Amino acid sequence: GNSVTQMEGPVTLSEEAFLTINCTYTATGYPSLFWYVQYPGEGLQLLLKATKADDKGSNKGFEATYRKETTSFHLEKGSVQVSDSAVYFCALMQTGANNLFFGTGTRLTVIP
Amino acid sequence: ETGVTQSPTHLIKTRGQQVTLRCSSQSGHNTVSWYQQALGQGPQFIFQYYREEENGRGNFPPRFSGLQFPNYSSELNVNALELDDSALYLCATGVAGMRADTQYFGPGTRLTVL
Repeated sequence: GNSVTQMEGPVTLSEEAFLTINCTYTATGYPSLFWYVQYPGEGLQLLLKATKADDKGSNKGFEATYRKETTSFHLEKGSVQVSDSAVYFCALMQTGANNLFFGTGTRLTVIP
Repeated sequence: ETGVTQSPTHLIKTRGQQVTLRCSSQSGHNTVSWYQQALGQGPQFIFQYYREEENGRGNFPPRFSGLQFPNYSSELNVNALELDDSALYLCATGVAGMRADTQYFGPGTRLTVL
């Protein structure tokens, strides 16, 4: 079956620190991989995606590379800001499916 | 910010009751998916509606049911509420034939079952 395992949080970082949130997955075939972000009181927003092995998704300074050999899709950002404080979800979607499988989420707090 | 809205924002029910949650669609969208997000967990797919019919379902019992209306708004109904139904319920609207990641999520309805 499909599953996504995320690094447990919460994660607290100082502003301008480097961020890594680990994500590994289990799936048959070649799923697409995503990172979503959930700000307080708002709906989930797609942050970035990668649809095939070795693809790198990037947005707003965040990036993640689809690593099929390690079944991973770790999220990184070189210098976090207070405004990045949110909950981050790793997710996958099987080809042809109409739904997403999410990890448990990682809460990030960035302090000034 | 998307045009997907959900109501109510918060809701408290007691075990055994029934609840109806509502979702209004982003303009131009014709599918709606519902997800359950328990505290500390990621969202889990309940089902999707398209053309007013269920179009895929996750691992949820029949007491979770839905409706989609001609204007593409939707309802999620849960009968015989259980304590474990306490969660944030998210709807996501999209366009049929487009990938699931192109859907827009609403802010959710937080349901508490006592």
